[in-house]
Amino acid sequence: NAGVTQTPKFQVLKTGQSMTLQCAQDMNHEYMSWYRQDPGMGLRLIHYSVGAGITDQGEVPNGYNVSRSTTEDFPLRLLSAAPSQTSVYFCASSYVDRGFGYTFGSGTRLTVV
Amino acid sequence: QQPVQSPQAVILREGEDAVINCSSSKALYSVHWYRQKHGEAPVFLMILLKGGEQKGHEKISASFNEKKQQSSLYLTASQLSYSGTYFCGTLRGGSEKLVFGKGTKLTVNP
Repeated sequence: NAGVTQTPKFQVLKTGQSMTLQCAQDMNHEYMSWYRQDPGMGLRLIHYSVGAGITDQGEVPNGYNVSRSTTEDFPLRLLSAAPSQTSVYFCASSYVDRGFGYTFGSGTRLTVV
Repeated sequence: QQPVQSPQAVILREGEDAVINCSSSKALYSVHWYRQKHGEAPVFLMILLKGGEQKGHEKISASFNEKKQQSSLYLTASQLSYSGTYFCGTLRGGSEKLVFGKGTKLTVNP
């Protein structure tokens, strides 16, 4: 039981490049989400999904796309990377019953130069 | 809207107690608490639900005042392992968006 797996762990991008951050979970969680963490800002919600085929925007969705074709996977796409997207990105999952806590992946540290 | 946590930072000696507060201006369905150690992912500690139900950590307790939309995390007889940054996350009724506060950094010294 691996939990929530994020890849890659580190990435450096040039401004304007695109990339996909991968997130996979093996706990049969319906709910999955992406957060970014910047110093002093806490965790800010980018996008979330309550099941395959269903996604919605969080607090800071601009510049990011998501899709959910399977229960297990929830990739995050950066369309045209900007230095303001330099951050640590965390994927989290849970049961859609809102009485459960979230399990976080180990994070992806992204630097955009 | 982000919940507000206080204090921003606290330093303790081993064995001392601490209280971390979390407040929201909106009506809440639940409050989550997480601990994050430097360079690691946040780890779930506890969830408090509207109506009084609690689920979570055996050695950490918390309260949820539904009328005031406030929650407090109580760390008693602190251990060195309690050091880290504590985040509260709030969920409003009818919403699936868990919104986190900016965190409280707790340092426990020997």
